[in-house]
Amino acid sequence: NAGVTQTPKFRVLKTGQSMTLLCAQDMNHEYMYWYRQDPGMGLRLIHYSVGEGTTAKGEVPDGYNVSRLKKQNFLLGLESAAPSQTSVYFCASKEPNTDTQYFGPGTRLTVL
Amino acid sequence: EDQVTQSPEALRLQEGESSSLNCSYTVSGLRGLFWYRQDPGKGPEFLFTLYSAGEEKEKERLKATLTKKESFLHITAPKPEDSATYLCAVRETSGSRLTFGEGTQLTVNP
Repeated sequence: NAGVTQTPKFRVLKTGQSMTLLCAQDMNHEYMYWYRQDPGMGLRLIHYSVGEGTTAKGEVPDGYNVSRLKKQNFLLGLESAAPSQTSVYFCASKEPNTDTQYFGPGTRLTVL
Repeated sequence: EDQVTQSPEALRLQEGESSSLNCSYTVSGLRGLFWYRQDPGKGPEFLFTLYSAGEEKEKERLKATLTKKESFLHITAPKPEDSATYLCAVRETSGSRLTFGEGTQLTVNP
C-alpha cells in the first residue's frame, strides 16, 4: 500500500516548455487534489476532482490543466511554463468518511 | 471567505520546554479542523481532525484542542524529532476544499 505517489520528484523547465505531473493513489479514493506550496503563501488549491472523469477549478487554476481518466490517477499539466509556476506541487486524495486528505511527497519544479 | 491564521510563524524551544501553537480561523460553518506535520522536502503528514468545540485529541507529546474561533496544538516536553512545520487547515460545511494556514515552523534544540 504505497498511498499517494508523485512523479517526477524534481524537474527543471525553460519558459514556454510543457510538462505533465502524475499523481497516483492506491486507496480507492474518489476525491483528488493538486496544490502548490510557496514560501509565505501556504498550500493553495489548483484543481481538484470528485471522481473519475470530473475536474474542477480551485483557488489558483490559471496556467494549469488537469485530467482524471482513471480513478487512481490525477494528472496536472503545464502547457507553457512560466517562472511564476516555480513551486513545490503536492497531490492529495481524500478519505470519504473522515474528510482527511493524504498527501504525496511532492514535485519540486523550477522554471527558468 | 475562509481564513486561517497561524501563530507564531516560528518557534524555538529547548528540549523538554512545553509550549502551544495557535490556529485562528474564520469560516461560515466548520465541518472540520485538521492538523498536519510537514518535514523539510516532504509532503504534509496527517495528525488530527477536530470536529466540534470542546473536542480534544492526543498523540504522543501532541494534544490538539478546539474552540469556536481557534485551535491549539500543545506540545508537552518536546524532543528534537518534533522539529517540523505544523500546518492547520479548515473545511467548511459546504464544499470539499481545505483552506490552509501558512504554518508554524517549530525547532526543538537538544
